[in-house]
Amino acid sequence: DVKVTQSSRYLVKRTGEKVFLECVQDMDHENMFWYRQDPGLGLRLIYFSYDVKMKEKGDIPEGYSVSREKKERFSLILESASTNQTSMYLCASSKSDRLYGYTFGSGTRLTVV
Amino acid sequence: GQQLNQSPQSMFIQEGEDVSMNCTSSSIFNTWLWYKQDPGEGPVLLIALYKAGELTSNGRLTAQFGITRKDSFLNISASIPSDVGIYFCAGQSLISNFGNEKLTFGTGTRLTIIP
Repeated sequence: DVKVTQSSRYLVKRTGEKVFLECVQDMDHENMFWYRQDPGLGLRLIYFSYDVKMKEKGDIPEGYSVSREKKERFSLILESASTNQTSMYLCASSKSDRLYGYTFGSGTRLTVV
Repeated sequence: GQQLNQSPQSMFIQEGEDVSMNCTSSSIFNTWLWYKQDPGEGPVLLIALYKAGELTSNGRLTAQFGITRKDSFLNISASIPSDVGIYFCAGQSLISNFGNEKLTFGTGTRLTIIP
């Protein structure tokens, strides 16, 4: 069963900590994405990557960075976590083909205290 | 970034009722998609629409790609308890430089079924 796996379902971190959220897909997809989900705001794109070592800013990249050293893995980094980054984070991947939508992971609920 | 207006924001219905929700955009999209998110899970693709005017069904779900390419509709007939969740529309557009595509999501419609 093909899937996108996010390393943690729940995380609690302190303000100022450096936080790593990991995402791995086993579908050989070219594109990978990080979204955050907040009530009433839907899914907002943070960063995306269409190839290894390539990255593009999404709509809300401030306070985040990403790393894609291997095709199957896309990491989201919070350099210095803040309370306004408390959210649900969703990773997704897709083929570079308009016939396919995204496949999402189950999400990581991050709380920054 | 682009924003999709999805309505209604929430719905409270009784089992067996039909459900309608829609999504509008100020931009044209090449593809419209509808996703459902169960509690504690990531969104899962329900229906994909690829041509303006297209009407597609998946069981009790029916979705349409608006003629103007700026809107889409999702209908659920005879709702059942497992329909509970958050429904998202998404428009797919080209990342022009590289031919890849990205999705812009609506704000979601939370569906609750009253016993």
